[in-house]
Amino acid sequence: DVVMTQSPLSLPVTLGQPASISCRSSQSLVYSDGNTYLNWFQQRPGQSPRRLIYKVSNRDSGVPDRFSGSGSGTDFTLKISRVEAEDVGVYYCMQGTHWPPFTFGPGTKVDIK
Amino acid sequence: QVQLQESGPGLVKPSETLSLTCTVSGGSVSSGSYYWSWIRQPPGKGLEWIGYIYYSGSTNYNPSLKSRVTISVDTSKNQFSLKLSSVTAADTAVYYCGTTVTTGSIDYWGQGTLVTVSS
Repeated sequence: DVVMTQSPLSLPVTLGQPASISCRSSQSLVYSDGNTYLNWFQQRPGQSPRRLIYKVSNRDSGVPDRFSGSGSGTDFTLKISRVEAEDVGVYYCMQGTHWPPFTFGPGTKVDIK
Repeated sequence: QVQLQESGPGLVKPSETLSLTCTVSGGSVSSGSYYWSWIRQPPGKGLEWIGYIYYSGSTNYNPSLKSRVTISVDTSKNQFSLKLSSVTAADTAVYYCGTTVTTGSIDYWGQGTLVTVSS
């Protein structure tokens, strides 16, 4: 199975400041069709996960444009340009290239300083 | 937009079988447009994909749970179900159902249901 790692695991941020989360996979996530199936999910306290980004950089409908995804191969990044209070929660990357199984990173907990 | 709702017992005894159902609205379990998955999250921990079922009835399970998992579909009720046998305390988790519409992703998630394994 593909192992996903994230850093940092905890990220205290100041409101209005940027934040960045790194995700790495144990093997390339480029699929034979040329696509890279790397997703980002947000899980607010007490809620189910919500997808923010799919295929590395495609933002879901309704997701604020302060969220952006980038990367290629085995290295990926989720950036929040200006953190707001509603962004508190845990962020997971998930690979869908080498599935089954889908595999998730351990999560990065974002909170406000 | 697909909506999903999990249901089932919140308490299961060790060695027994955990059974959950996911009711689907806004989509059809009979459609070839979706894969229907179960995912779980132990308290305070990360996410683990359990397995999926396709409209044809084909399934695929996480190797870590494969020997104990069965996922099935009930087209008459537009539901799909999870059975996990021989449970232990390590199976205590919030169980989510989800659906894949976009290749390589999980587009929609249910609210989740907490299942506790305890005597």
